[in-house]
Amino acid sequence: DAGVTQSPTHLIKTRGQQVTLRCSPKSGHDTVSWYQQALGQGPQFIFQYYEEEERQRGNFPDRFSGHQFPNYSSELNVNALLLGDSALYLCASSFQGRTEAFFGQGTRLTVV
Amino acid sequence: QKEVEQNSGPLSVPEGAIASLNCTYSDRGSQSFFWYRQYSGKSPELIMSIYSNGDKEDGRFTAQLNKASQYVSLLIRDSQPSDSATYLCAVRESGGYNKLIFGAGTRLAVHP
Repeated sequence: DAGVTQSPTHLIKTRGQQVTLRCSPKSGHDTVSWYQQALGQGPQFIFQYYEEEERQRGNFPDRFSGHQFPNYSSELNVNALLLGDSALYLCASSFQGRTEAFFGQGTRLTVV
Repeated sequence: QKEVEQNSGPLSVPEGAIASLNCTYSDRGSQSFFWYRQYSGKSPELIMSIYSNGDKEDGRFTAQLNKASQYVSLLIRDSQPSDSATYLCAVRESGGYNKLIFGAGTRLAVHP
């Protein structure tokens, strides 16, 4: 039973560029949430996707956008990257947003 | 602003001792509480969930919940060096869709 998988694991981008991160949920899960974790901090909720719609959003600017596909996988897009966007980006999946959330291995994004 | 507070540590305990980690939260309507373990450079791993007042035991781990005091704790019995990690307390936001609010984590160091 595959767990939550994310790609890529590491990424280096230049300020102003755009980036796309990908997530496949755990088998049987249909809800994907994205979190940003800065060094020394707890994860911060970015948004959640269910039935291909953004269902809830945290306090992040519109530069952060996402998508969910019919197979429940999801993408996180960040435009106009800032140095402060450097962080570990985590994807968590659950069933209908009501069960325990399991995290993927994360994508470490460095903006230079 | 709903918040989760944890002592950042480090909490240093000798091998074989009991480690006690604490967490308070501000969202009085929250009903679901989680402890995640995060090794350095890795993603959070769910180790305990608790939904009712009282204690819940799983192996060497015991989670304790007191909703009236808005307090959650995690006890680790017979601590091992492999337990050395950051422990994140997470609270499911009330009225939402499995949005988790995390504390900044407590770093635990178990020394031989």
